[in-house]
Amino acid sequence: KQEVTQIPAALSVPEGENLVLNCSFTDSAIYNLQWFRQDPGKGLTSLLLIQSSQREQTSGRLNASLDKSSGRSTLYIAASQPGDSATYLCALPANAGGTSYGKLTFGQGTILTVHP
Amino acid sequence: GAGVSQSPSNKVTEKGKDVELRCDPISGHTALYWYRQRLGQGLEFLIYFQGNSAPDKSGLPSDRFSAERTGESVSTLTIQRTQQEDSAVYLCASSLAPGGAYGYTFGSGTRLTVV
Repeated sequence: KQEVTQIPAALSVPEGENLVLNCSFTDSAIYNLQWFRQDPGKGLTSLLLIQSSQREQTSGRLNASLDKSSGRSTLYIAASQPGDSATYLCALPANAGGTSYGKLTFGQGTILTVHP
Repeated sequence: GAGVSQSPSNKVTEKGKDVELRCDPISGHTALYWYRQRLGQGLEFLIYFQGNSAPDKSGLPSDRFSAERTGESVSTLTIQRTQQEDSAVYLCASSLAPGGAYGYTFGSGTRLTVV
């Protein structure tokens, strides 16, 4: 059974800092990995999707890397802004023999606060 | 539609009443999922629909919970005889391909409060 852990649980940084959020998973036979952000009281917004064959994906100030062999993904946020404050979640679909079964397993999230 | 639409956005109900939550997935998305998020907790899988296949109901917490989907369109999640522990945000997601090969798009959720 896939288990997903995110570290740190919470992070508070001043505006402008570069930061790294970590996601680790126990079963390296993954199909893909997706990073989301969740604002308080809201649904999830997709940030980046990394397929198992990829090592990284970039979107604006966000860069996500994937190292399947070590069971890790990192989300790098450059030049953080107060608007980046949210909970960041990584998620992986259940996987068996290379076929995704759709159900996502989520980490518990990292609560990010960027203060001016 | 442009995104996954859920209604109502908020629902307050009395303990023991039945509630229906609705999800309109993105047009053309064959897969649809329901998740639950209790206050301060992570997302909990409830049910997964893929095309005309039998749904994966393995996450439904009790027989008070049921869900239906009309073809590859709207889904409704029904909770009968609601209990206070059912209070949560119920999130719906859809994906273009089975198993989320192209990622998942979530709705804004329905916040259910059972009083």
